[in-house]
Amino acid sequence: ETGVTQTPRHLVMGMTNKKSLKCEQHLGHNAMYWYKQSAKKPLELMFVYNFKEQTENNSVPSRFSPECPNSSHLFLHLHTLQPEDSALYLCASSQDTGRGYTFGSGTRLTVV
Amino acid sequence: AQSVTQLDSHVSVSEGTPVLLRCNYSSSYSPSLFWYVQHPNKGLQLLLKYTSAATLVKGINGFEAEFKKSETSFHLTKPSAHMSDAAEYFCVVSDGPLNAGKSTFGDGTTLTVKP
Repeated sequence: ETGVTQTPRHLVMGMTNKKSLKCEQHLGHNAMYWYKQSAKKPLELMFVYNFKEQTENNSVPSRFSPECPNSSHLFLHLHTLQPEDSALYLCASSQDTGRGYTFGSGTRLTVV
Repeated sequence: AQSVTQLDSHVSVSEGTPVLLRCNYSSSYSPSLFWYVQHPNKGLQLLLKYTSAATLVKGINGFEAEFKKSETSFHLTKPSAHMSDAAEYFCVVSDGPLNAGKSTFGDGTTLTVKP
């Protein structure tokens, strides 16, 4: 375990479903991130939260909706996804930029 | 602005031979630099980091990297490859305050280790 826990590890959902991904860290970090990793594509930053405030939304479609209720928890709410949204979704946290990220193991999402 | 280029998308070595994964960066500030490793279906794990201290940085699993400002490089090396080193490796640069906590990831280098 890295200190960043993501659940579920695997998720299969239909295009009309609503589901949520959860990320939890107990490292005392003040920043949390969602990344999307698709096959044969670079890692894509989706959202950044710093002290619970969203500081970055990287032109992500509205069918992805993040929520950060406190500095230890981060959610990604999903609705009416498309098959191209199938990917590994990685959560990360950091204390500041000089120390690097701690990543979770990811949620493997398949949209059918 | 910051950017990072991993010069090889695939590297193949034989077990027991040296590993070299190349990374060049661009930064408007004194950068922090990182290498991460990702094994199949896993998250990314921090291998090592440079944050303006010693230019030769030692990481986990016998890896090390040297920060060369004049060459804007941060290449990852290991003297002797092991089968368990086969994975995807990412070089990352962070400008720090100029990017409010964001880091820029390279496209990754896939390391294959042959028996």
